[in-house]
Amino acid sequence: DAGVTQSPTHLIKTRGQQVTLRCSPKSGHDTVSWYQQALGQGPQFIFQYYEEEERQRGNFPDRFSGHQFPNYSSELNVNALLLGDSALYLCASSSIIWGAGEGEDTQYFGPGTRLTVL
Amino acid sequence: QQQVKQSPQSLIVQKGGISIINCAYENTAFDYFPWYQQFPGKGPALLIAIRPDVSEKKEGRFTISFNKSAKQFSLHIMDSQPGDSATYFCAASKAAGNKLTFGGGTRVLVKP
Repeated sequence: DAGVTQSPTHLIKTRGQQVTLRCSPKSGHDTVSWYQQALGQGPQFIFQYYEEEERQRGNFPDRFSGHQFPNYSSELNVNALLLGDSALYLCASSSIIWGAGEGEDTQYFGPGTRLTVL
Repeated sequence: QQQVKQSPQSLIVQKGGISIINCAYENTAFDYFPWYQQFPGKGPALLIAIRPDVSEKKEGRFTISFNKSAKQFSLHIMDSQPGDSATYFCAASKAAGNKLTFGGGTRVLVKP
């Protein structure tokens, strides 16, 4: 059973460029969350996608956008890159039964994409 | 606003010793408290998690203690091994599947 996969592993961009990161969730999971982890810090929540819609969003600017596809995979797009966007970008998947009051809370993380902005 | 505060930032323990990491939260709506272990170059991996209806949960050498009134919870690693050397993060969320709010992390080094 494949876990959460992310691509690419590493990426180097220059300021002002745009980047797209990809994530495939764990088999059976329908919800994808994205986190940014700066060096030496804990992950910070960017946003979460379920049923191809953004369900929750953290305190990140509109330069950060995403998409979820019918097969539950997801993309994270960052426009107008800044030096401060350099970080490890983590994708986490989970399975949620919305509205039923119960669900699988556990979020399983992928290995991340290391983005360096020069 | 840092809603989950974690301490210490780093910890050195001898093989066979006990590692203790503490976290405090502010939002009383949090109802799910996981701990994640992260090795360099890897994503965080779920270690153990607890809900506020229990005060303690044990899985192997890892134990979570939870104090709802104090809004604090801690991770105890018993019989620490060199392979436990990693960064540990506490986290919290409210309701099923909601966003995780992480602490700042604790780097643990277990000396042989």
